[in-house]
Amino acid sequence: DIQMTQSPSSVSASVGDRVTITCRASQDISSWLAWYQQKPGRAPRLLIYAASSLQSGVPSRFSGSGSGTDFILTISSLQPEDFATYYCLQANSFPWTFGQGTQVEIK
Amino acid sequence: QVQLVQSGAEVKKPGASVKVSCKASGYTFTSYAISWVRQAPGQGLEWMGWTSGYNDQTKYAQQFQGRVTMTTDTSTSTAYMEVRTLKSDDTAVYYCARGWLNYYYGVDVWGQGTTVTVSS
Repeated sequence: DIQMTQSPSSVSASVGDRVTITCRASQDISSWLAWYQQKPGRAPRLLIYAASSLQSGVPSRFSGSGSGTDFILTISSLQPEDFATYYCLQANSFPWTFGQGTQVEIK
Repeated sequence: QVQLVQSGAEVKKPGASVKVSCKASGYTFTSYAISWVRQAPGQGLEWMGWTSGYNDQTKYAQQFQGRVTMTTDTSTSTAYMEVRTLKSDDTAVYYCARGWLNYYYGVDVWGQGTTVTVSS
């Protein structure tokens, strides 16, 4: 199975900060990586698919990059509504696997 | 709009079975797949499996093989997931999510989640 290692596990940031979250795959997954945002008590929400494609309706301050084994989610200017937990998902091959999550907290 | 509506919360005893439904609307059910993901209290997301809305193709995570069955009813655009021989650590929120038949893109739209509590 492909292991997804997400870092950091948590980050404290202020409104307006630039935040980056990294996901590393244990083997090459090409560009088959998605990023999700989850708020407490809510279902996850798709932000980025195919490593760098912005899902319709998602603000442009979110961006994704990377291919192969190393991927980055960037929030260019953190907004109050962005405080949440973020997960990566590799969909290159079954079984799909999620990263362990990164909690973005208010500083 | 695209929507997945799941069945309501369940409380089950250890050893029992539970069947969760996921009714799709707003899109052509047979043109997409459905994945199931669960989240134990305070924990991360765990992928359980994938089932095609087009044919009978199904993929399961190894830890659920033989204990979980995922099915679809194209006449009602509904997906089902049954978990048998429930244990206390099956207590979780179970989500269905729409995915592409070309599974590389993951999932986009999620159901609201179904809480399953396993307790004696």
